[in-house]
Amino acid sequence: DADVTQTPRNRITKTGKRIMLECSQTKGHDRMYWYRQDPGLGLRLIYYSFDVKDINKGEISDGYSVSRQAQAKFSLSLESAIPNQTALYFCATSEPAGMGSYNEQFFGPGTRLTVL
Amino acid sequence: GESVGLHLPTLSVQEGDNSIINCAYSNSASDYFIWYKQESGKGPQFIIDIRSNMDKRQGQRVTVLLNKTVKHLSLQIAATQPGDSAVYFCAESTGFQKLVFGTGTRLLVSP
Repeated sequence: DADVTQTPRNRITKTGKRIMLECSQTKGHDRMYWYRQDPGLGLRLIYYSFDVKDINKGEISDGYSVSRQAQAKFSLSLESAIPNQTALYFCATSEPAGMGSYNEQFFGPGTRLTVL
Repeated sequence: GESVGLHLPTLSVQEGDNSIINCAYSNSASDYFIWYKQESGKGPQFIIDIRSNMDKRQGQRVTVLLNKTVKHLSLQIAATQPGDSAVYFCAESTGFQKLVFGTGTRLLVSP
C-alpha cells in the first residue's frame, strides 16, 4: 500500500463550487504539506502543518484553506473554485527537522483538478 | 524574491551516456539543495540532497555538485538508462524545510 494517498485522483468541477482534496499518510510523520503544480512553474507551497495544532500559509495560500484532522490526515479546500486553480495538487509528508536541517519529503500521487 | 531556475527545459541523451542537469538558484541563505525526479503521472521522488556547506555528494549513479560562488547546482547521472526518463526538479530548502522548486528539466533517454 502507498504511504501517502490522495483522493480523488481526478476531479472536474465548475466555477464557484466548493472542493475538498484529501491526503492520508501511514508514515507516522508529523509534518504535512500541500503543493500546487502548474506547467512550466514547478511546485509551489500552498499550506503546511508541523503537527495537528499547527497550520501555516505557504507561498500561494489565497483561495485555499486546510484542515489537519489528525496526524495522518491533511485536507485542502477550495471554497469557491475558479478556473485558474486548475492544476495538479500534491500532498507531501516529512519527519521534523530543526532550523537549518532537512528531511526528505515524501509525495503522494497527486490530484488533477480541472475547474470549468 | 527567492527563485530557483533551470538552464534547459529538455535534455535528450543516448542510453549509456552521462547526463548533466543544471540549475541556478538565487537564495544564498538556503540550507539544503535537493533533486527530485518526477515520472509521468506520479509525484516527485527524492533523489539526493546536498548541504550548503558541501560542494559535492555522490549517490548510486548520481552526483550533485554545488558551486556557491556562481549559485549553481548540477545533477550528474552516470550511464543513463531509459528508466531515468522523467522531469527533474531542483529545490532549495530554507528555514524549517520550506522548499522552493525550480521549473524542471525533462530528460529523454533514447535507446
